[in-house]
Amino acid sequence: QSVLTQPPSVSAAPGQKVTISCSGSSSNIGNNFVSWYQQVPGTAPKLLIYENNKRPSGIPDRFSASKSGTSATLGITGLQTTDAAVYWCGTWDSSLSVGVFGGGTTVTVL
Amino acid sequence: EVKLVESGGGLIQPGRSLRLSCEASGFTFDDYAMHWVRQRPGKGLEWVSGISWNGGTIAYAGSVRGRFTISRDNAKNSLYLQMNSLTFEDTALYFCVKGSELVVATTADYWGQGTQVTVSS
Repeated sequence: QSVLTQPPSVSAAPGQKVTISCSGSSSNIGNNFVSWYQQVPGTAPKLLIYENNKRPSGIPDRFSASKSGTSATLGITGLQTTDAAVYWCGTWDSSLSVGVFGGGTTVTVL
Repeated sequence: EVKLVESGGGLIQPGRSLRLSCEASGFTFDDYAMHWVRQRPGKGLEWVSGISWNGGTIAYAGSVRGRFTISRDNAKNSLYLQMNSLTFEDTALYFCVKGSELVVATTADYWGQGTQVTVSS
C-alpha cells in the first residue's frame, strides 16, 4: 500500500490529453515539493517534473503539473505513442521522515 | 551529464550480506543528498534510504532500518549501501538516486540504471 495514491491506469488516443492524480496528506504533498517520473519498461525512472511544476531541460511542454493542498496532478497533452509508460509521483514525508512514492499509473496510448 | 553507476548486486542467500556501490559523476557530489530506491519485480518504487550531503543526516525505510546502512565518501564521489540479514523480500532492482538539494528531506532527480539483488536459497 503506497503512501501516495495514484490511479492504476489511464488511457487515451494519440493527440489526446490525460491527467494523472496523486493524493497524499499534509505531511507529504501538503508541505513538500512533488516530483513526477516516467518509467518506460526495462529502463530507470526519468525525472519529468520537479518542485511541483518545473520541467528539467529537454522535457517537452506537453508535460505539465500542478499541486493543490494535498494533491498533485500531472497532465500530458498531445499524447504520443512514446508516452506509453508508467508514471510515478514522489515526495518527502516530514512526519515519517522517509521518501514516498505513489503506486504508479500506467499510461496506455490507444 | 549526470551519471550514476551502481555495482555490487548479485545472487545471495538469505541471511547473508551484500554491499552496493554507486559511482557518481557529472555534478558536484558533495552538494547533494543521495538516496537508494528499490523496485521489486513487477512492483512499485520503494524509497530505501537517504543521506545528506555530508552524511550528517541519514534516514531509512522501516523495512530496512537496523539491517541496512547507507554511507558516502565525498572524496571518491561514491555512495554505498551495506545490506545485512538479507531476506527474500529484499530481492529488487536497487537504484542510486541523486537528491535535489543538500538535505535528505528532498525529492530525487537523476537515477542510475540499477543493480539487481536476488536473495534466494
